[in-house]
Amino acid sequence: GAGVSQTPSNKVTEKGKYVELRCDPISGHTALYWYRQSLGQGPEFLIYFQGTGAADDSGLPNDRFFAVRPEGSVSTLKIQRTERGDSAVYLCASSAGLLTDTQYFGPGTRLTVL
Amino acid sequence: AQSVAQPEDQVNVAEGNPLTVKCTYSVSGNPYLFWYVQYPNRGLQFLLKYITGDNLVKGSYGFEAEFNKSQTSFHLKKPSALVSDSALYFCAVRDGSSNTGKLIFGQGTTLQVKP
Repeated sequence: GAGVSQTPSNKVTEKGKYVELRCDPISGHTALYWYRQSLGQGPEFLIYFQGTGAADDSGLPNDRFFAVRPEGSVSTLKIQRTERGDSAVYLCASSAGLLTDTQYFGPGTRLTVL
Repeated sequence: AQSVAQPEDQVNVAEGNPLTVKCTYSVSGNPYLFWYVQYPNRGLQFLLKYITGDNLVKGSYGFEAEFNKSQTSFHLKKPSALVSDSALYFCAVRDGSSNTGKLIFGQGTTLQVKP
């Protein structure tokens, strides 16, 4: 079946602009995760949704970052007033719902802030 | 606080030889441990996980890992390496006593298998 998909695959923006990154999880998966991977680093947790609600947003670096999942499926990560330090690959993962379930990752969105 | 250490930035092995990629972890509760592989310009692919039960876990593509509680380790192994195994490998841990699914990842280890 279809895996996790993310759009766009690449996004180039200018410092100060607003961006939205989209994630389509595997059909039927109730848990959804966002991670950020900087060059040469492992993925870093941002936020975890169970259904429509953010069950853990402890990884969001500041209030410029916000994520939604209004219908419990597609999620959008929103970044306001982008900074050059926001440049990274943003990864989305989904799982069936139990905390022991495997997280399956999408291909990522590479964000470049000029 | 949870943490994962992958002490080797790169591991080099010859094709056909056994390989080991090391991982140690620190969590306050029960560890749930995972290995993922990342090919260039691709997302992370799941290899295997340890939740409970048998300490030796077998996964995809002939990989296995052994959970060692006393050494807080979860090293990835394969009896005979292939050139196609060359990739970036990540170990991750989740605190099984917490109610969040967040994974903490190591820095990654590049595996280079030479023909």
